[in-house]
Amino acid sequence: SQKIEQNSEALNIQEGKTATLTCNYTNYSPAYLQWYRQDPGRGPVFLLLIRENEKEKRKERLKVTFDTTLKQSLFHITASQPADSATYLCALEDQRDYKLSFGAGTTVTVRA
Amino acid sequence: KAGVTQTPRYLIKTRGQQVTLSCSPISGHRSVSWYQQTPGQGLQFLFEYFSETQRNKGNFPGRFSGRQFSNSRSEMNVSTLELGDSALYLCASSLDGPKTYEQYFGPGTRLTVT
Repeated sequence: SQKIEQNSEALNIQEGKTATLTCNYTNYSPAYLQWYRQDPGRGPVFLLLIRENEKEKRKERLKVTFDTTLKQSLFHITASQPADSATYLCALEDQRDYKLSFGAGTTVTVRA
Repeated sequence: KAGVTQTPRYLIKTRGQQVTLSCSPISGHRSVSWYQQTPGQGLQFLFEYFSETQRNKGNFPGRFSGRQFSNSRSEMNVSTLELGDSALYLCASSLDGPKTYEQYFGPGTRLTVT
């Protein structure tokens, strides 16, 4: 069956450190993978999209890698700030049915 | 540009009733997708509409239905409500659907079924 797994535990890190989140998938053939941020009581906000032929993508303090051999994406927040505290969701679309599926999310808390 | 708007924001219904939720996409966006979010199941895809046609559908029972109007606004309907339908219902719009573009989510409608 298809599965998207993100870090099972919440991530607590010190301000200024790098947070690394993982997204592993099974039985998907994604053309691309997306990362979203969700704050409590609000809808997800798009952060980054990385295509299957791209190894790495950056946006300001965010970096995403995508390894289709390992079936894994890593999401890094460098020089983290308390304002980065949120739940981060990975999402991917299977090329076979074009449905977008989300992982359960990883909650990141950055301590000042 | 105004963001995606959803109405109502909160709703309390009784088992067996039906409910209609509304979504207005970002101007110019032709694709609207609906998702259900619960603590246990996370974000799950319900369906996607593009140019008034349902283009894709998730694995939900037929009690969940939707439609899109010519101005791209969309509604979703849930009939014969069950306790398990309590969730945050999110709609998202994009230029041409999830397969090529990022999606912009609305704030959601929090539905509570008692």
